[in-house]
Amino acid sequence: NAGVTQTPKFQVLKTGQSMTLQCAQDMNHNSMYWYRQDPGMGLRLIYYSASEGTTDKGEVPNGYNVSRLNKREFSLRLESAAPSQTSVYFCASSVQGRNEKLFFGSGTQLSVL
Amino acid sequence: AQSVTQLGSHVSVSEGALVLLRCNYSSSVPPYLFWYVQYPNQGLQLLLKYTTGATLVKGINGFEAEFKKSETSFHLTKPSAHMSDAAEYFCAVSTGNTDKLIFGTGTRLQVFP
Repeated sequence: NAGVTQTPKFQVLKTGQSMTLQCAQDMNHNSMYWYRQDPGMGLRLIYYSASEGTTDKGEVPNGYNVSRLNKREFSLRLESAAPSQTSVYFCASSVQGRNEKLFFGSGTQLSVL
Repeated sequence: AQSVTQLGSHVSVSEGALVLLRCNYSSSVPPYLFWYVQYPNQGLQLLLKYTTGATLVKGINGFEAEFKKSETSFHLTKPSAHMSDAAEYFCAVSTGNTDKLIFGTGTRLQVFP
């Protein structure tokens, strides 16, 4: 029962470097999400994908790009990392629909120096 | 726009005491409301949700929440706190006609022996 798998778990970047956070789910879910968690600010939605082939901006999309590679995988890319992007990133998935619960991965702790 | 306000970033209770975590929402359409819990170094897990029907909803681990439309509230309660309840709790609202889930800033619950 893997559920939602995120890689890597930890990453340190220098300002200006790029990287891609990977997320995969094995529950045949339609919707996938990327959130960032910062102290005192809760979870903020970066991007989400309601179904394969579609993506939409969330609350804080600037500085990020996403790819819904197929139904299972949803990646988050930082093209030019900035210290303000230091955060814990969570991927989540759901069957689809407003009333469905989200299943979360265990998170990626990213530090940008 | 939909939003969630959690009153109190930290709540401390003694073991066996009542737990009350407050959540107020703003929504232009009938809301779907959720409480999630996050244990240290883990992703979030669903505690309970309100979609339609009965306004008092019961969740896992003895938690329950009551949807009060007139007060735009969805407070989380548990009659008797246990040490294992120490965690961070997030209220969330599902927005409009999309699958976006907007989270509050979280309440950290401490339980003292």
